Amino acid sequence: GDSVTQMEGPVTLSEEAFLTINCTYTATGYPSLFWYVQYPGEGLQLLLKATKADDKGSNKGFEATYRKETTSFHLEKGSVQVSDSAVYFCALSPPAGNNRKLIWGLGTSLAVNP
Amino acid sequence: DTEVTQTPKHLVMGMTNKKSLKCEQHMGHRAMYWYKQKAKKPPELMFVYSYEKLSINESVPSRFSPECPNSSLLNLHLHALQPEDSALYLCASSQLAGTGTDTQYFGPGTRLTVL
Repeated sequence: GDSVTQMEGPVTLSEEAFLTINCTYTATGYPSLFWYVQYPGEGLQLLLKATKADDKGSNKGFEATYRKETTSFHLEKGSVQVSDSAVYFCALSPPAGNNRKLIWGLGTSLAVNP
Repeated sequence: DTEVTQTPKHLVMGMTNKKSLKCEQHMGHRAMYWYKQKAKKPPELMFVYSYEKLSINESVPSRFSPECPNSSLLNLHLHALQPEDSALYLCASSQLAGTGTDTQYFGPGTRLTVL
């Protein structure tokens, strides 16, 4: 079945460091891919998405490229801030049928120190 | 505007209480969702409403009862909950766009504690 694998956390970085959070997936066809972020004590926010191969999603300095050949959607940011400390979830939406279920990764906790 | 609102923000209830969680969206979305989330875990889908009809029930215990009064509102009625039901309850909505391209937008959640 469809699945999402994220790198395990927690990830701890210093402010202005480069961030990569790996996400790979298994799915038939061409799913849509998402990154959601959850700040402490809050709900989930859509960070970025890509709906077809080679699409690049971007928002708030974060980027992720839909790579069909490596079945990956890695999240990157060139210079993290303390305010980026949060849990990041990678998710996919299967392409087939009328399934409204998102398939989630386990989440990666990021802590950014000043 | 991609806002989903939820009330209350926090709720503490005893095991014999009856309470309701409320969710509202004004984006014209035709699908609405309830999720349960434990700390630092991914959300678990509970229910999906499409065009105000229940389309998915993920074998949720009957002590959770969803209701969709209209296309903008979603309720979750709670009765005789257990302490293990304590969690963050998230509401989401989506447009019901083409299969696989639908994007879910989440509310801030209700933090539920069952004593």
